[in-house]
Amino acid sequence: DAKTTQPNSMESNEEEPVHLPCNHSTISGTDYIHWYRQLPSQGPEYVIHGLTSNVNNRMASLAIAEDRKSSTLILHRATLRDAAVYYCILRDLNTGGFKTIFGAGTRLFVKA
Amino acid sequence: NAGVTQTPKFQVLKTGQSMTLQCAQDMNHNSMYWYRQDPGMGLRLIYYSASEGTTDKGEVPNGYNVSRLNKREFSLRLESAAPSQTSVYFCASSDQGQGYEQYFGPGTRLTVT
Repeated sequence: DAKTTQPNSMESNEEEPVHLPCNHSTISGTDYIHWYRQLPSQGPEYVIHGLTSNVNNRMASLAIAEDRKSSTLILHRATLRDAAVYYCILRDLNTGGFKTIFGAGTRLFVKA
Repeated sequence: NAGVTQTPKFQVLKTGQSMTLQCAQDMNHNSMYWYRQDPGMGLRLIYYSASEGTTDKGEVPNGYNVSRLNKREFSLRLESAAPSQTSVYFCASSDQGQGYEQYFGPGTRLTVT
């Protein structure tokens, strides 16, 4: 499965928008882009996923570049509870997406 | 609906001891996974089970064995624990619907001395 590249850490102020970038230059046509986050001392939790079009849900928005080689997770108003490690991963559903690679992710710090 | 549960939450083993980590899900998912997470690192896949009756190696399978006992349960066994296996272990499950969203358990923190 293809790999992704994310910044090690980012910082945001509370109640401001946050844009978390992810590069995936070797993405294939059947790779779905998934985002998960991991709060301290917890297991990862699903945030959002998409294939080609931008996606919105109650937690976040996902903006996908036209060439699909990068994407951005958007938290519209960061709260202290959003401080977590955010993982951008690719899942190739043609092969079942079982061997997903989780990198080190981006640690998001939120300042009050 | 408990989601994915793992037992135990914490465990300390001496080098050479064996133990089994238990995982169960109540979401009727076909696929289950075992990951390990070392400090400051991402998750690495140890083994996965695409469906009941099948298991396959992931990225770091050495030193581990798994059993898919039934659709609900997927266990991870360390036959002879080593200090390098000190880690947090996460179990996850997913179904083959759109997006293959994974649901993770709370983790087992294992220390091998």
